[in-house]
Amino acid sequence: DAGITQSPRHKVTETGTPVTLRCHQTENHRYMYWYRQDPGHGLRLIHYSYGVKDTDKGEVSDGYSVSRSKTEDFLLTLESATSSQTSVYFCAVRPRSPGELFFGEGSRLTVL
Amino acid sequence: QQQVKQSPQSLIVQKGGISIINCAYENTAFDYFPWYQQFPGKGPALLIAIRPDVSEKKEGRFTISFNKSAKQFSLHIMDSQPGDSATYFCAASMSNQGGKLIFGQGTELSVKP
Repeated sequence: DAGITQSPRHKVTETGTPVTLRCHQTENHRYMYWYRQDPGHGLRLIHYSYGVKDTDKGEVSDGYSVSRSKTEDFLLTLESATSSQTSVYFCAVRPRSPGELFFGEGSRLTVL
Repeated sequence: QQQVKQSPQSLIVQKGGISIINCAYENTAFDYFPWYQQFPGKGPALLIAIRPDVSEKKEGRFTISFNKSAKQFSLHIMDSQPGDSATYFCAASMSNQGGKLIFGQGTELSVKP
């Protein structure tokens, strides 16, 4: 599992509240990614990081922010959650070649 | 141009049969094409991958066929087993873009005993 831990694994929250999802890795990988998975859309990249304090946007970044203050932690924040952000969120790391990602087990977020 | 289109959305195959999933892309700058397998409640896991300078890659019962001129690639699962029942995603990436993966929409495969 490439030493990836996502927390929380399940969360139910209300519209307008802030939410932070955490991805923790134990193997010092430089690249980390946040994807969301929705039926009919596959997985879509939200943000990714290529080093401490180095992040960039993905294809669905609106409404999300990220931070990486330590190599091992990559945080995804929804400043004001909306129902459209109900999804399963996956963190991934890139141990070796571009395109070869190892995913965590996901965090299921429900926004009521 | 960044899209990867995958079909079919769902597939039912008898045990021992061949499962075939197809993907098409537009951006010729993609240079790496992996397939991921996902079981319920788990994250996707890399299954097999190919680069565009190769037309076919086989690993056990899994084969990727790649047609560069048609901008299409497919996954073939030979002798499909009930344990292969999962969701399969094709993907594409460009090595000079931070290894970001663009995923297809997914195919839910069910192998009947």
